[in-house]
Amino acid sequence: RKEVEQDPGPFNVPEGATVAFNCTYSNSASQSFFWYRQDCRKEPKLLMSVYSSGNEDGRFTAQLNRASQYISLLIRDSKLSDSATYLCVVNWRNTDKLIFGTGTRLQVFP
Amino acid sequence: EPEVTQTPSHQVTQMGQEVILRCVPISNHLYFYWYRQILGQKVEFLVSFYNNEISEKSEIFDDQFSVERPDGSNFTLKIRSTKLEDSAMYFCASAPLIYEQYFGPGTRLTVT
Repeated sequence: RKEVEQDPGPFNVPEGATVAFNCTYSNSASQSFFWYRQDCRKEPKLLMSVYSSGNEDGRFTAQLNRASQYISLLIRDSKLSDSATYLCVVNWRNTDKLIFGTGTRLQVFP
Repeated sequence: EPEVTQTPSHQVTQMGQEVILRCVPISNHLYFYWYRQILGQKVEFLVSFYNNEISEKSEIFDDQFSVERPDGSNFTLKIRSTKLEDSAMYFCASAPLIYEQYFGPGTRLTVT
């Protein structure tokens, strides 16, 4: 099983749509979870940390299910500027080494 | 908003040459990292650095690689004898606390 697994997409959605991305991770000892976004040939940018209770930041909602080792990201009211690759990121065991998924590509069209 | 900066943005070198990639982390951050991303592949951890020593390194980070924080601001990655397969984007990251890491814009290394 891959350390962090994501559907590569692409997800092609119209502006205003709601889209959800899922991610699974293999190491039950992982304690920190993040979503990063990466634009083409740019650096990963921290979108949000993911907490057990779930958290929301504007149009973005992240959920964590530790029992299933599953993380999700929901984007509401998609904007053209949301077009990017969304990276699911997990720390390795109890270290600060981050393990990245391969990313899910989102394309929002007018 | 403070940012991680990296120089150069693009480095072309010949196989077997030494390269030094430079990073200036965010000033009050304590944890420093190097990652790399081969074109079309996922971001991979190389090394973490805290309190002037390596705290974690991956199997990629072999004897050809070294890191240094020569003064209070710079954080460098040295590759002693570059190989073709070292061609990648190298990202520096820093964190104020463990885990929440902020990435620099990267250095594209091309080994010919």
